[in-house]
Amino acid sequence: QQQVKQSPQSLIVQKGGISIINCAYENTAFDYFPWYQQFPGKGPALLIAIRPDVSEKKEGRFTISFNKSAKQFSLHIMDSQPGDSATYFCAASRSYGGATNKLIFGTGTLLAVQP
Amino acid sequence: DAGVTQSPTHLIKTRGQHVTLRCSPISGHKSVSWYQQVLGQGPQFIFQYYEKEERGRGNFPDRFSARQFPNYSSELNVNALLLGDSALYLCASSLVGTGGTDTQYFGPGTRLTVL
Repeated sequence: QQQVKQSPQSLIVQKGGISIINCAYENTAFDYFPWYQQFPGKGPALLIAIRPDVSEKKEGRFTISFNKSAKQFSLHIMDSQPGDSATYFCAASRSYGGATNKLIFGTGTLLAVQP
Repeated sequence: DAGVTQSPTHLIKTRGQHVTLRCSPISGHKSVSWYQQVLGQGPQFIFQYYEKEERGRGNFPDRFSARQFPNYSSELNVNALLLGDSALYLCASSLVGTGGTDTQYFGPGTRLTVL
């Protein structure tokens, strides 16, 4: 119940295309779903996050879609650029009941945007 | 403003040795969490500390321990190193450590290699 499953493992997209990464979770206690971006040699950096009371959140070229009934959420990167080439992680946590900072991460998606 | 800093950057140890990793949080942040990231996987939660008290512990053996100092910096200690402990160790800081929208900011990590 603690797992977050992420797909695909790797993704190649042409410049200007749309990158889509999907995640699924099992634990219905999760109420916070962030996406992190990690470049080689760096720590993960928060990209965008969503709570389950909304179905979509958009920040610039990045959009999270959330389907509470299916327990799935996805990251869409519009107009993908070579600078977006990185590893993307979805994550989940809960923020009530004496919750900790514990983030459960997916296994990551290596995105390559070709010029 | 300085981000999360970690030292050392890289470390090579042999099996059975002990290692201490250090982390300084962002100024004003009172919570520090530690994660282990094995190559090709997502980070896994090890510990969280808030105001010098352990708030959460992941599924790691007792060889792993940590502490937080009055200035909110933190140390992660690993005893009796095994080959499987080779990983990137990430430190994340946040304001109050309650999870959810209390964003965690990650440092660049310490790359530990156990020979």
